[in-house]
Formats: sequence, C-alpha cells, structure tokens
Amino acid sequence: AQKITQTQPGMFVQEKEAVTLDCTYDTSDPSYGLFWYKQPSSGEMIFLIYQGSYDQQNATEGRYSLNFQKARKSANLVISASQLGDSAMYFCAMRLLNTGNQFYFGTGTSLTVIP
Amino acid sequence: KAGVTQTPRYLIKTRGQQVTLSCSPISGHRSVSWYQQTPGQGLQFLFEYFSETQRNKGNFPGRFSGRQFSNSRSEMNVSTLELGDSALYLCASSLGGTGDPNQPQHFGDGTRLSIL
Repeated sequence: AQKITQTQPGMFVQEKEAVTLDCTYDTSDPSYGLFWYKQPSSGEMIFLIYQGSYDQQNATEGRYSLNFQKARKSANLVISASQLGDSAMYFCAMRLLNTGNQFYFGTGTSLTVIP
Repeated sequence: KAGVTQTPRYLIKTRGQQVTLSCSPISGHRSVSWYQQTPGQGLQFLFEYFSETQRNKGNFPGRFSGRQFSNSRSEMNVSTLELGDSALYLCASSLGGTGDPNQPQHFGDGTRLSIL
C-alpha cells in the first residue's frame, strides 16, 4: 500500500515567490517521522527538514517550513523566496517507529524556478 | 564531519557481469540503506543493514545482495547484470536506533550504473 503520496509531478514558481509542495501519508502508527529531501539534477539527495508526529509546532529550517496537519495526514513543504538553485526534485518520506529504520518515499515533485 | 561516501561514482558493465558497490557511512552511523532509482520506477528500497545484520529488505530478486562490515561500511552486489539494472544506486546512513523515528537518513552522491 502506498504510504506516501505526492500528487504534483511538476511545479513551476517565479523566482522570489513562495511555493507549496504537497505530501500526504498513510499510517495508523502513532509514532513516525516525516522528512523532505531535495535532489538536484546531479543526483545527490539532500536532507532538508523533518517533522515528528508528536511535535506541536511546524518545523522550519531557513527558507523551508513544513506545514504539518496531522488530522489530514499531510506534511506539505513550503519554500519561501524561491531561488533558481531550488530547481530540483523534491521527495517526501516517512519513517515509522514500528518498522525499524525503513523509510518510505513518495514519487517526487519536480520544481522549476522561473527567472 | 565527512558525509556518506559511495564508490565508484560511475560504472559501466555488460549483461551477465557482476558488480560491487561500496558505501562508507557517516562516522557513528550504524544503519546503512540502499536504494535503486530509475526514471520509470522512482526510488525503490533495496535493503537496510544495522550492526552487520540485514534488518529490512525490499522486493528485489536474489541477484541483489549486500553486507555490512564491523566498521559499518557496506557493500552491495548485483550478479548476472541485466539491462534493467541500469540505475542510480543510492546509499543512506543514519544512527540506526529504533527508538526514535525522527532520525533522518543522509545520502551519498550515488553510483550511476550503466549496463550495455
């Protein structure tokens, strides 16, 4: 069963604008972590931000913030003030406490920042 | 702190051959996971090793195998290579303890394997 769903295969955003990348997840486990990764065309996967299921506040890391809505099972990534270097694939991932260290990844969203 | 190191970065093989890929995790990380990434199938989990033991396994044939050494370095082996094995192979490390699901995985730059 698909545990992570990213419904936007591709997104475009104007430079300096904000963009939201959607992610929904499916689990009945109460304890889990949600993560976002960035993959530029060069291939490396870069860890951006994470949110724990018990965290009360939304996570933020610089220009990245995670809009965590637990009841809706969504963990959207918000990138503020987009830069040309933000053009990349973005993957949402989930780690469940009860499955050891296995991560479940979504299919990714390709973000293109337009100058 | 050095990141996850994967070698080689690029590899070209022919059908029927075998290949071994190497991954050195971040110092102190005991868990190493392997992923295969292709344009058609996306990111697929191969297996995870923790303290020299395979802890999780994805849905890949037995031609794909791995191991982990006492220093946490890991190798992945693919035997009898097929054209469909052409992919980017990514290794990721994390602390590995099962008590905290908030630990991120940190990835290496990957090995691009091409099968001719």
